[in-house]
Amino acid sequence: DIVMTQSPDSLTVSLGERATINCKSSQSVFYSSNNNNYLAWYQQKPGQPPKLLIYWASTRESGVPDRFSGSGSGTDFTLTISSLQAEDVAVYYCQQYYNTPLTFGGGTKVEIK
Amino acid sequence: QVQLVQSGAEVKKPGASVKVSCKASRNSLITHYYFHWVRQAPGQGLDWMGVIYPNTNSTTYAQKFQGRVTMTSDTSATTLYLEVRSLRSEDTALYYCARGGVGTTYHHIDNWGQGTLVTVSS
Repeated sequence: DIVMTQSPDSLTVSLGERATINCKSSQSVFYSSNNNNYLAWYQQKPGQPPKLLIYWASTRESGVPDRFSGSGSGTDFTLTISSLQAEDVAVYYCQQYYNTPLTFGGGTKVEIK
Repeated sequence: QVQLVQSGAEVKKPGASVKVSCKASRNSLITHYYFHWVRQAPGQGLDWMGVIYPNTNSTTYAQKFQGRVTMTSDTSATTLYLEVRSLRSEDTALYYCARGGVGTTYHHIDNWGQGTLVTVSS
């Protein structure tokens, strides 16, 4: 199984400041035949199901604010919130879909300082 | 955007079975997509259980659930089902159905049901 490790477990950031979440996979999730990284990011607010933010490591889902961006390749990925807003308080998960079982990181809780 | 509406909360005794349903909105073509089931224990992270392709009813299960879980679909009713048998307290969780890719397991999940809480308690 591909193990997804997120860091940090929690993050406290001031409004308007940058938040950076890291995700490392135990093996590469890059598929060279189509040049894609099989990596997604989800946001989960309390009492709600997860919501897709980013897929193919860096493609923003329709309707997601452009302050959210994804980067990285192979085994190391980053989700950046460029200017944290109050509504961004949530738990963020990375997920690989390169192989079954699909696996998620443990989550990073983002709070306001 | 397809809506996935799941059945209501369940309370079961250890050793019992539960069957959760997930109905896709009427005009969705569920046979085109792969659908995943993901569970989340209270205060914990996301745990992928498996995937079903309603077009062929083919399934792939996470090894930890093999033999105890069955995923099925009724395409005419645009409904998916998850059955979990031999329930134990550790199965207490929110169970989500979620839509994956067209014609492939290896795709991000872009749409989630609201979740069904299953509580296992004696």
